[in-house]
Amino acid sequence: KAGVTQTPRYLIKTRGQQVTLSCSPISGHRSVSWYQQTPGQGLQFLFEYFSETQRNKGNFPGRFSGRQFSNSRSEMNVSTLELGDSALYLCASSLAGTGNEKLFFGSGTQLSVL
Amino acid sequence: SQQGEEDPQALSIQEGENATMNCSYKTSINNLQWYRQNSGRGLVHLILIRSNEREKHSGRLRVTLDTSKKSSSLLITASRAADTASYFCATGRNTDKLIFGTGTRLQVFP
Repeated sequence: KAGVTQTPRYLIKTRGQQVTLSCSPISGHRSVSWYQQTPGQGLQFLFEYFSETQRNKGNFPGRFSGRQFSNSRSEMNVSTLELGDSALYLCASSLAGTGNEKLFFGSGTQLSVL
Repeated sequence: SQQGEEDPQALSIQEGENATMNCSYKTSINNLQWYRQNSGRGLVHLILIRSNEREKHSGRLRVTLDTSKKSSSLLITASRAADTASYFCATGRNTDKLIFGTGTRLQVFP
């Protein structure tokens, strides 16, 4: 079974631009969660999608958005990039997305905002 | 906001020694999980312990959970250089997302 795939692996953008990150979950997994990881803040929860619906949302500004497609693939978008958005963005999938399951993580997208 | 906090933030040991990491959390949980992250990569699930369990083993890993103290510990016995990584605890409740702690950076010297 293929693991969680995130693309691209690395991304360099400039302030004010927007970016779209992609995540393909493990086959059969319907829940996709996104996390932002920075050295100072650790892993911060962005949002979680299940069956194309956003089910949970973290404390991030509206510039951060996401969606999930019928095949469970998910994208997250960050608009009007700021320097502080530089981080490793991690996607994780699970079967049902409850807090009782283990998560399977992708390798992440390293975003650098210049 | 972080639910869990790991202690210590960083740990350096020699190969063959045991490594112990602690995690404290704030609210009631259904389970607590430990994950490992190699530098700049995704997290890998290590072990899940449910709130009604006190101890769990998996290979060289031993996890304890004390719900009265809202704390957990991860023990890695006979450490190897390949165990060098960051270790995170994560707490879960029924319909809520997993919330991760701040992590412990473990360095195992050969």
